[in-house]
Amino acid sequence: KQEVTQIPAALSVPEGENLVLNCSFTDSAIYNLQWFRQDPGKGLTSLLLIQSSQREQTSGRLNASLDKSSGRSTLYIAASQPGDSATYLCAVTNTGNQFYFGTGTSLTVIP
Amino acid sequence: GAVVSQHPSWVICKSGTSVKIECRSLDFQATTMFWYRQFPKQSLMLMATSNEGSKATYEQGVEKDKFLINHASLTLSTLTVTSAHPEDSSFYICSAMVGSLSTDTQYFGPGTRLTVL
Repeated sequence: KQEVTQIPAALSVPEGENLVLNCSFTDSAIYNLQWFRQDPGKGLTSLLLIQSSQREQTSGRLNASLDKSSGRSTLYIAASQPGDSATYLCAVTNTGNQFYFGTGTSLTVIP
Repeated sequence: GAVVSQHPSWVICKSGTSVKIECRSLDFQATTMFWYRQFPKQSLMLMATSNEGSKATYEQGVEKDKFLINHASLTLSTLTVTSAHPEDSSFYICSAMVGSLSTDTQYFGPGTRLTVL
């Protein structure tokens, strides 16, 4: 069974810092990997979707990379802002069309 | 963009009663809808996958007789928690998707907070 782990579980940084969130998965037979954002008590917002044939995707201050062979993805957030405070979840879709969420990283950006 | 709504956003009920949660795709027709539950400070756990007009596929360990899913149309799926107990208290989130997991994203609803007294 696919296991998706995110490190760190929680992260607190001062405003303006660049930061990296990590996601690792045990089964490299995936179709794609996604990064989501969840605000407290709310649903999820999709940030970036990387297909298995891609190495990275960028959207504004966000850059996500994928190394399928090593089972790793990183989400890079540039020039962090207090509004970036949220829980970030990665999720993978296996080639068996099964969808697995990671354990999440709770990010706090301090003004 | 694609919008998914859930109703109600929160509900409090007595133990033993049943609660229905609606999930609607507002501006698109969803091939598939998913139901997740999330306990505090934990990630989302998939409960079931449903396609319009067919029976839902439940994940291992999820009681299909307790969590009834009806996918009546391409824009509406409902989750009914039957004979709810305090341990069913959780945050329930639905998502809707056009196409397939291999190429497309899911659009998530805002969630429903269920508290069973």
